[in-house]
Amino acid sequence: EIVMTQSPATLSVSPGQRVTLSCRASQGVDTNLAWYQQKPGQAPRLLIYGASTRATGIPARFSGSGSGTEFTLTISSLQSEDFAVYYCQQYNYYYTFGQGTKLEIK
Amino acid sequence: QVQLVESGGGLVKPGGSLRLSCATSGFTFSDYYMSWIRQAPGRGLEWVSYISSTGASIYYADSVKGRFTISRDDAKNSVYLQMNSLRAEDTAVYFCTRGQSRSIGWFDPWGQGTMVTVSS
Repeated sequence: EIVMTQSPATLSVSPGQRVTLSCRASQGVDTNLAWYQQKPGQAPRLLIYGASTRATGIPARFSGSGSGTEFTLTISSLQSEDFAVYYCQQYNYYYTFGQGTKLEIK
Repeated sequence: QVQLVESGGGLVKPGGSLRLSCATSGFTFSDYYMSWIRQAPGRGLEWVSYISSTGASIYYADSVKGRFTISRDDAKNSVYLQMNSLRAEDTAVYFCTRGQSRSIGWFDPWGQGTMVTVSS
């Protein structure tokens, strides 16, 4: 099983800040990596696939990068609606998710 | 507008069975892989199973293999998850999700989820 490790577990940030979330795979997954956003009581929403391609309707302030085992999700200027939990997911070999990074208001 | 609506969740005793349904609309259902993903209370996401667009390819997570069965009915634009021999650790919100047309890949969109509680 490919283990996905996200860091940090929680990030306290202020609106308007730039943030970078990290995701590491236990073995290489090429660019077969997606990012999701989940708000309390809601289903996850796809943000990024192919490591760097924004999904339909996702604002340009969200960007993804990386390949192999190291990936990042960057939010260029945090908006109030961005405070949520973010998950990475690999789909190179079956499908596994990271444990999530919670963005909370500082 | 693509929509996925799950139903069938509820409270069941350990060892019991439950059948989840996912009704879809807004896309050509028969073209897509479909999957179930679950989330235990306060926990992360766990992929459970997928079925290919033709139904010929089916896979399960080790944690549910031999107990859960995924199926699809293209005439009803629906996917199902039959869950037998349920355990307390199967307690979770179960999400129906759409994959891609030639593989699962990423999951988009997701249904709102249906809660399954396994408890005596």
